[in-house]
Amino acid sequence: KAGVTQTPRYLIKTRGQQVTLSCSPISGHRSVSWYQQTPGQGLQFLFEYFSETQRNKGNFPGRFSGRQFSNSRSEMNVSTLELGDSALYLCASSFKTDTQYFGPGTRLTVL
Amino acid sequence: GDSVTQMEGPVTLSEEAFLTINCTYTATGYPSLFWYVQYPGEGLQLLLKATKADDKGSNKGFEATYRKETTSFHLEKGSVQVSDSAVYFCALSDPRGSQGNLIFGKGTKLSVKP
Repeated sequence: KAGVTQTPRYLIKTRGQQVTLSCSPISGHRSVSWYQQTPGQGLQFLFEYFSETQRNKGNFPGRFSGRQFSNSRSEMNVSTLELGDSALYLCASSFKTDTQYFGPGTRLTVL
Repeated sequence: GDSVTQMEGPVTLSEEAFLTINCTYTATGYPSLFWYVQYPGEGLQLLLKATKADDKGSNKGFEATYRKETTSFHLEKGSVQVSDSAVYFCALSDPRGSQGNLIFGKGTKLSVKP
């Protein structure tokens, strides 16, 4: 089976812009979670989607949003980008259990 | 709240040395516990997991035992290789309900010298 894929792998944006990141889970996995990884804060949970519904949400401002499609693919959106949003954004998928499988991540740089 | 505490790094070892990376957790309920590994420029790879007390997870020579009495899940390997150089993360599943939320430690960077 193919693993979790994320696109794009690298992204450069300027402050105030918005960005959309995409994640395709492992085939058959219906749960998709998103995490932000920074050197200062480490790995922080953003949100989780299951069957097109947001099931859980971390402590991030409303500028961070996501959605999931009927094929389980997920997107996350960050509006009005700030310098502090520069990070590696990781997507993970799981099937029925709490074992999550991660993609390679999208490296976002905000200038 | 729930949390994971890992030993501070970096950890530098010579090839074939014994490795221990300490991990303790605080959680209500009975979480599952995980070790993930991250190689430079990559995402996280699941290394091993344990779902209940006294379970031992193992993979690629790494082992960790779920110790409920000491709330610990220490990672060990008997003989490390240069290829084991990476950042290791201990994590627990959020026991409050949703399975989609992992709580991670800060990570421990391991460097293995030939």
